[in-house]
Amino acid sequence: NAGVTQTPKFRILKIGQSMTLQCTQDMNHNYMYWYRQDPGMGLKLIYYSVGAGITDKGEVPNGYNVSRSTTEDFPLRLELAAPSQTSVYFCASSYSGQDEQYFGPGTRLTVT
Amino acid sequence: GQNIDQPTEMTATEGAIVQINCTYQTSGFNGLFWYQQHAGEAPTFLSYNVLDGLEEKGRFSSFLSRSKGYSYLLLKELQMKDSASYLCAVRDEGGFKTIFGAGTRLFVKA
Repeated sequence: NAGVTQTPKFRILKIGQSMTLQCTQDMNHNYMYWYRQDPGMGLKLIYYSVGAGITDKGEVPNGYNVSRSTTEDFPLRLELAAPSQTSVYFCASSYSGQDEQYFGPGTRLTVT
Repeated sequence: GQNIDQPTEMTATEGAIVQINCTYQTSGFNGLFWYQQHAGEAPTFLSYNVLDGLEEKGRFSSFLSRSKGYSYLLLKELQMKDSASYLCAVRDEGGFKTIFGAGTRLFVKA
């Protein structure tokens, strides 16, 4: 099992550009999450999904969009990138809401 | 509102015992998690408490008091590799969202 994989590992965007962060899990988990982590801070939930076709907003959803067309994939879309979106983005998955979360290696995004 | 408090940094000596505290005020509660995060890496799961009391797992133990909104992570026989950030996280009542604290950076010195 590869677990949770994320691509790309690093990316530099110019202000106003768009991109999609990819996340895939091979553990047949129902729940998937996107977090951002700013330096010296904890994780902030952006969006989550409890199954294919079902998504909902977390604490900091503005400027992002998600989709969940399959159990395995949960891409995060950034439209019109802003410097405030410079962060490390982690994707995670869990079997249920009560279970531990497994995290991907993260994507380090810089917007200049 | 949601608030989770942890000390920002702690320093301890190799071989010693350290206790990392976490207090929380959340609109609902459905379990508390501790994760370890080494610099530049992803968080990894350490422990989960949903009922009051102590959960022991090797060198790591976690305690929960729901009435006090309080938890601690106890690390025994500290090793240099335990130098990392420790994140306290509370699962909300619906079980969908997890709120993370800012984390405690632990430095283990020889």
